[in-house]
Amino acid sequence: GEDVEQSLFLSVREGDSSVINCTYTDSSSTYLYWYKQEPGAGLQLLTYIFSNMDMKQDQRLTVLLNKKDKHLSLRIADTQTGDSAIYFCAETLSGGYNKLIFGAGTRLAVHP
Amino acid sequence: GAVVSQHPSWVICKSGTSVKIECRSLDFQATTMFWYRQFPKQSLMLMATSNEGSKATYEQGVEKDKFLINHASLTLSTLTVTSAHPEDSSFYICSAGPGSPQETQYFGPGTRLLVL
Repeated sequence: GEDVEQSLFLSVREGDSSVINCTYTDSSSTYLYWYKQEPGAGLQLLTYIFSNMDMKQDQRLTVLLNKKDKHLSLRIADTQTGDSAIYFCAETLSGGYNKLIFGAGTRLAVHP
Repeated sequence: GAVVSQHPSWVICKSGTSVKIECRSLDFQATTMFWYRQFPKQSLMLMATSNEGSKATYEQGVEKDKFLINHASLTLSTLTVTSAHPEDSSFYICSAGPGSPQETQYFGPGTRLLVL
């Protein structure tokens, strides 16, 4: 079945790196995404990775994909207080007409 | 980048009334749009897939007669919560994508519904 799992909470110190992890079960995933949601707001697409890629870097964000273990991670370098939010991992499935399967979300708290 | 808007951003209504929420893709056409519901501190739950020019596809457990979806054009989908009750109070979010090959979804800012 389709299932995406994330740890629920992460606390880091400002300036440190944050690593948010996600696992998924469906091997037919085509794209994997990271979305950010700030309080009371919609979802902001941060980055995505195609399933045949291992890594993608975009400024402070690094996405690592281990397809064998069905493990996805998001690393935020030099974490800032503005990075405090909920981060959702999501996947789309082959032939799924862009249907997104979301994880429960990881709440990132950045403290001084 | 692709922009998706929603209107209204929040609405308060009395129990028994109907509420319409609009979702618009501002700078691209979307054959397919998606409607999600999010309860406090929970993830997004896909309610239905809105298809331009045809009937919406509802997820299991979602009442199609209660949550009416109309996708009248390539830039507009509407969700109408009929005879709303307090348990329908939630955060409703739509998404749309420019389509393949990226299959990337862009989300609206959400509509917060409170039913008294």
